[in-house]
Amino acid sequence: GAGVSQSPSNKVTEKGKDVELRCDPISGHTALYWYRQRLGQGLEFLIYFQGNSAPDKSGLPSDRFSAERTGESVSTLTIQRTQQEDSAVYLCASRSAFSETQYFGPGTRLLVL
Amino acid sequence: QKEVEQNSGPLSVPEGAIASLNCTYSDRVSQSFFWYRQYSGKSPELIMSIYSNGDKEDGRFTAQLNKASQYVSLLIRDSQPSDSATYLCALEATGGSYIPTFGRGTSLIVHP
Repeated sequence: GAGVSQSPSNKVTEKGKDVELRCDPISGHTALYWYRQRLGQGLEFLIYFQGNSAPDKSGLPSDRFSAERTGESVSTLTIQRTQQEDSAVYLCASRSAFSETQYFGPGTRLLVL
Repeated sequence: QKEVEQNSGPLSVPEGAIASLNCTYSDRVSQSFFWYRQYSGKSPELIMSIYSNGDKEDGRFTAQLNKASQYVSLLIRDSQPSDSATYLCALEATGGSYIPTFGRGTSLIVHP
């Protein structure tokens, strides 16, 4: 089917506000990842969902960050009380149970003023 | 904690030349290795994966893995301007958490 989609594509917010980012994985993909990529940097792992297992939250940088996923469908990443250092591109990727290939969405570019 | 090191570059090569991109890693448990290409302002896309020592060829791309020396490289033959991008190395422990560790990437510029 279609690839991974993310929304919004761009988000500008004021410091202290909450933001919610959405990811629609490829249909049938059991694994879903969230990454953060700061300008000129590599990908920083945030959280990993695999089927109905408990998510691996080991990459979340603070308790202001949280994510949810309903079954094997949509996921939302929430950042509370945003800070300027949260400004980055947030990438979502999904993967099937039968492959190690991750397919990335186009990302959400977050700017915190 | 896995660490993945890449020279940030930019690596500049003339069109038609061989571009050689290198990646070293610190964790001996890692078993799966990936090269992603990321065009400016775009998302990463997988171009090569390698799991065993030696070379793996796919078209103009060759991945080389040396687990004893803990490095993996990507060779791009007959480089084209369209190959200009950032190349990210990633590794993963097979049978582990399925969470890859990415390097910061090497910027490649292929000039006509």
